[in-house]
Amino acid sequence: EVQLVESGGGLVQPGGSLRLSCAASGFTFSSYEMNWVRQAPGKGLEWVSYISSSGSTIYYADSVKGRFTISRDNAKNSLYLQMNSLRAEDTAVYYCARDDIAVAGLYYYYYMDVWGKGTTVTVSS
Amino acid sequence: DIQLTQSPSFLSASVGDRVTITCRASQGISSYLAWYQQKPGKAPKLLIYAASTLQSGVPSRFSGSGSGTEFTLTISSLQPEDFATYYCQQLNSYPRTFGQGTRLEIK
Repeated sequence: EVQLVESGGGLVQPGGSLRLSCAASGFTFSSYEMNWVRQAPGKGLEWVSYISSSGSTIYYADSVKGRFTISRDNAKNSLYLQMNSLRAEDTAVYYCARDDIAVAGLYYYYYMDVWGKGTTVTVSS
Repeated sequence: DIQLTQSPSFLSASVGDRVTITCRASQGISSYLAWYQQKPGKAPKLLIYAASTLQSGVPSRFSGSGSGTEFTLTISSLQPEDFATYYCQQLNSYPRTFGQGTRLEIK
């Protein structure tokens, strides 16, 4: 079964750090690009970060750039999100999501087809 | 950044109704759009990608259309399990923005 399982969430004080993990199983993790997406309480979805299959290409949302670092260990089938200088507005459920791609002629259509159940991060004093 | 605006934000409908949700992009994104369904306390579920391609296992009552800046998600005959929140997402460029969501509730 294709599965993503997040862990590492919890309660942290403003200015603190936390490292989230996402364990992948049931597919060849090293062949897929990955994302982190978050959802603040009662709010919509917010894309946070992307990493290519090799880890060589990375993107961040402006709201986390310079504070969060995405990484992966293909040997361990794991994705990570290092979160530093945490703020109250980072409080959210954090999901990892797999990127897949459909090729139609010259066009490459990406989509997020597998999602974990999420891990909750609460930033509060 | 590309902004996505969904309308309506809230929709009340009955079982058996046909409903349409619109997603408008602030600039052209070709067909690089996906639709997701999310139920309370659950992770989002992919419904449609490339604007109109139904994800495997998703019922055929769901359909998507559009390209450029205007897109629609249509549910042809609402079933009880369809009451949820729906999001569009653009995958044309980074950041990969989502629409604000459309909450579909039972009338």
